[in-house]
Amino acid sequence: KAGVTQTPRYLIKTRGQQVTLSCSPISGHRSVSWYQQTPGQGLQFLFEYFSETQRNKGNFPGRFSGRQFSNSRSEMNVSTLELGDSALYLCASSLIASGSRTDTQYFGPGTRLTVL
Amino acid sequence: SQQGEEDPQALSIQEGENATMNCSYKTSINNLQWYRQNSGRGLVHLILIRSNEREKHSGRLRVTLDTSKKSSSLLITASRAADTASYFCATDIYNQGGKLIFGQGTELSVKP
Repeated sequence: KAGVTQTPRYLIKTRGQQVTLSCSPISGHRSVSWYQQTPGQGLQFLFEYFSETQRNKGNFPGRFSGRQFSNSRSEMNVSTLELGDSALYLCASSLIASGSRTDTQYFGPGTRLTVL
Repeated sequence: SQQGEEDPQALSIQEGENATMNCSYKTSINNLQWYRQNSGRGLVHLILIRSNEREKHSGRLRVTLDTSKKSSSLLITASRAADTASYFCATDIYNQGGKLIFGQGTELSVKP
């Protein structure tokens, strides 16, 4: 089975712009989670989608949004980019669909976003 | 705020030695997972231990979990240069499906 794929792998944007990142989960996985990784804050949970519904959300401003399509592929969008949004954005998919627990997550290689 | 605190932050050992990393957390969990990350790439799942388990093995990895102390440890035996990476513990909290809370990580360097 192919692993989790993320596109693009690298992105450079300027402040004020918006960006859309894409994630394709492992075939058969319906849960997709997004994380932001920075040197200062570490790995932080953004949100999780299951069956096109956002089930869980982290503590990020409304500029960060996402969606999931019927084929389980997911996108996240960041509007009005700030310098502090520079980070590695990771998505992960999971086979287990429970809303009450999280099993093994399989991570993609990430999208490295640089905001100038 | 981070749920997990890892100790040490950095660890440097020689090939063949054992490496032990510790993780402490704050709230009750469903399970605790360990992941490895090589130099800013994606995370690789190593092992998952459920809250009713005390010890788990996978190849050269041994994980323990003490829910009374809210702590876990990861032991890598007979380390290799290829084990050089950052290691993270992540906790799964009840009723927050799809969300893992990660510790700050331990940076392991294994010298040949």
